[in-house]
Amino acid sequence: QLVLTQSPSASASLGASVKLTCTLSSGYSGFAIAWHQQRPQRGPRFLMRLNGDGSHKKGDGIPDRFSGSSSGAERFLTISSLQSEDEADYYCQTWGTVIFGGGTKLTVL
Amino acid sequence: EVQLLESGGGLVQPGGSLTLSCAVSGFTFSRYAMHWVRQAPGKGLEWVSGISGSDGRTYYADSMKGRFTISRDNSKNTLYLQMNSLRAEDTAVYYCARSGSSSFEELDVWGQGTTVTVSS
Repeated sequence: QLVLTQSPSASASLGASVKLTCTLSSGYSGFAIAWHQQRPQRGPRFLMRLNGDGSHKKGDGIPDRFSGSSSGAERFLTISSLQSEDEADYYCQTWGTVIFGGGTKLTVL
Repeated sequence: EVQLLESGGGLVQPGGSLTLSCAVSGFTFSRYAMHWVRQAPGKGLEWVSGISGSDGRTYYADSMKGRFTISRDNSKNTLYLQMNSLRAEDTAVYYCARSGSSSFEELDVWGQGTTVTVSS
């Protein structure tokens, strides 16, 4: 069964970079995912689609500070030059049946 | 501008029914699969149901099968979710979202959500 695993929390300093991870369960390492951002008290926002080969397509208006990469069953979201507005929950999502990871709460110190 | 606008949320008693709507604009509605996703208070995102754009096939999360019905009216550019036999655990913010194509892919546009509270 396809499961997406995310660390519950992450933190990084203002202006620094952070790399969030979403891990696909065994047997699904080639699957594409999507990354979504959810700021406090807001609806989710699509960030990008990330393929197994690391290629990605970002949503409209997503800053260049957001990038994606892949390695095996791991899918990464890297945010550089962290800003206070990046403090949010980040979810990965895949499809077939739509599945979400548990989300990572990012704190900007 | 692509927009999704949910409505129809509110307070309902356990065992009751509610129908949510999602009015869309800014894109050719019939060409895209659409979904409902919910978020219980303090919890993560949970997919509820989806409907394809090409043939209108419907799909449900196991816990919603038989109680919820997703539908779409392409002439009105509107997505619906009929919810019956509501339980306290259905209390959540319900979002509609668009797939990136007529089949299930990334959810690339989200609405702002509508709140459903199931309580006596």
